[in-house]
Amino acid sequence: NAGVTQTPKFQVLKTGQSMTLQCAQDMNHNSMYWYRQDPGMGLRLIYYSASEGTTDKGEVPNGYNVSRLNKREFSLRLESAAPSQTSVYFCASSDRRGAYEQYFGPGTRLTVT
Amino acid sequence: DQQVKQNSPSLSVQEGRISILNCDYTNSMFDYFLWYKKYPAEGPTFLISISSIKDKNEDGRFTVFLNKSAKHLSLHIVPSQPGDSAVYFCAASRNTGGFKTIFGAGTRLFVKA
Repeated sequence: NAGVTQTPKFQVLKTGQSMTLQCAQDMNHNSMYWYRQDPGMGLRLIYYSASEGTTDKGEVPNGYNVSRLNKREFSLRLESAAPSQTSVYFCASSDRRGAYEQYFGPGTRLTVT
Repeated sequence: DQQVKQNSPSLSVQEGRISILNCDYTNSMFDYFLWYKKYPAEGPTFLISISSIKDKNEDGRFTVFLNKSAKHLSLHIVPSQPGDSAVYFCAASRNTGGFKTIFGAGTRLFVKA
């Protein structure tokens, strides 16, 4: 039982390049989330998927797109990376029916130069 | 506009003593509150939660207190141990229709041996 896994762990991009961050969970959770963590800002929600087939914007969705590929997988895409997207990205999942705690992956550290 | 505020960026405590981490929120619609713990290079992990119908929830060495009138919650760790050294995030959400959890900026706790 791996929980929530994220790939890659580290990535360096040049401005304007694109990339997709992958996330998978094996806990049969309905809901999945993408956050970014910046110094002094805590975790901010980018997008979430309440259930398979649905996605919604969070606090800071601009510059990102997501795909809920199936119940297990939720990917985050940066179409044209900008230095302001340098951050640590966390994927999380939760069981909608239970309490609202979320289970987080180990994070992807992204640097855009 | 920060809806969840952790005003102390860091806290240093002697091993065996009590650690008290504080959190304030502004949105009276929040009715479920959580604390997460984060070690470097790892994702946050759920620690303890409290519903707004309660004013206290205890789990081993960890107790969360909620003062709804003051829109304030606190996490008490007794006794503090060196392994508790981590960043602690306070988070708040709405139980109804709420998939958006708002996180505070975090407090870094140092427990000195």
